[in-house]
Amino acid sequence: GQNIDQPTEMTATEGAIVQINCTYQTSGFNGLFWYQQHAGEAPTFLSYNVLDGLEEKGRFSSFLSRSKGYSYLLLKELQMKDSASYLCAVRYQTDSWGKLQFGAGTQVVVTP
Amino acid sequence: DGGITQSPKYLFRKEGQNVTLSCEQNLNHDAMYWYRQDPGQGLRLIYYSQIVNDFQKGDIAEGYSVSREKKESFPLTVTSAQKNPTAFYLCASSIRRGSDTQYFGPGTRLTVL
Repeated sequence: GQNIDQPTEMTATEGAIVQINCTYQTSGFNGLFWYQQHAGEAPTFLSYNVLDGLEEKGRFSSFLSRSKGYSYLLLKELQMKDSASYLCAVRYQTDSWGKLQFGAGTQVVVTP
Repeated sequence: DGGITQSPKYLFRKEGQNVTLSCEQNLNHDAMYWYRQDPGQGLRLIYYSQIVNDFQKGDIAEGYSVSREKKESFPLTVTSAQKNPTAFYLCASSIRRGSDTQYFGPGTRLTVL
């Protein structure tokens, strides 16, 4: 399978910035998604990148470099409610329908 | 409000019993998916369906079965053949197969005693 690698846990203080990195195998790449998941709840869609560059959505931004097999999710002005797991998912066009491959998630802990 | 519902939120079963998890969506999405989530692991695809009356095995289909008789509904049965059924099960849907953002239901936590 295609490995999606992201750090297990990151800790930051309220108001700070945190960058969550995600690396993946580039062969067959066809898009990258970031989801936020609070404990015991459904993942919710945050962002989608298919071309190189930065996509900004309020306090959250996502960056993609296809040649390097690298993405990051940037969380600015951290709030306590941002404490959650952040899932990186890559779509691979390995067959006719392009399924998602998920990383294990990065647990972000925001401290006061 | 449009969305995906899963019921129940928590489910307990004895070992050896089959159990069916419900997933319903009113988003008019063609494609639906079942994932399993275990601690420290990414979501793993169990089954997916691109259209009514059609479904395909995902990466970990052994011990599971599904049906897609209606566009809105995609129930998952965890059979007694599944060796490690205790997990958090997530249902998702997208407008079409694979090429669109997947939206998730609230999940069902299954515990087999």
